[in-house]
Amino acid sequence: GENVEQHPSTLSVQEGDSAVIKCTYSDSASNYFPWYKQELGKRPQLIIDIRSNVGEKKDQRIAVTLNKTAKHFSLHITETQPEDSAVYFCAASMDGNKLVFGAGTILRVKS
Amino acid sequence: NAGVMQNPRHLVRRRGQEARLRCSPMKGHSHVYWYRQLPEEGLKFMVYLQKENIIDESGMPKERFSAEFPKEGPSILRIQQVVRGDSAAYFCASSPLSGEETQYFGPGTRLLVL
Repeated sequence: GENVEQHPSTLSVQEGDSAVIKCTYSDSASNYFPWYKQELGKRPQLIIDIRSNVGEKKDQRIAVTLNKTAKHFSLHITETQPEDSAVYFCAASMDGNKLVFGAGTILRVKS
Repeated sequence: NAGVMQNPRHLVRRRGQEARLRCSPMKGHSHVYWYRQLPEEGLKFMVYLQKENIIDESGMPKERFSAEFPKEGPSILRIQQVVRGDSAAYFCASSPLSGEETQYFGPGTRLLVL
């Protein structure tokens, strides 16, 4: 089955700097890759997603890149703000089926 | 436009009791997924249901756990004879008709087994 690995497990950045979180997946049949942000005690919230027919997608300060050949995808957050502090999860799925999540990255933005 | 709803938000059970967790998907969504999140861990898939059908239950423990999504009413995740290791946050997510992969999560039910 699919396996998703996520790095780093924790990331501390200074406010205004960029943050990058990387994920790799094992099943080449996976074709949908969302990123979720989860604040303490809250639900996971979708922040951006990408499908396998696209290499890059951007939404304001957030961007995701996908390399199908290498089977990895990354989340980029620019101009980080304290409210970006949270746990970020990447995930992979095939054809709208179950999401397989990475272990999560704790992002701390220091002001 | 109400989002995914779950109840109860918090549930306390003693060992050996039953836990029933409910999930109402977003309006117009017919696919429901259940995930479990152990303390300070990631989300693990449990089961995927459509109305009256279990599509994928590969993540469900073989014993004590069951799920349903009847024609009318919410999806229910049932845990019989709970043990302390069942303590976790249980999230459901929903998506629209087949072909739309985006899953929207509910607020979760936090189960504590004493």
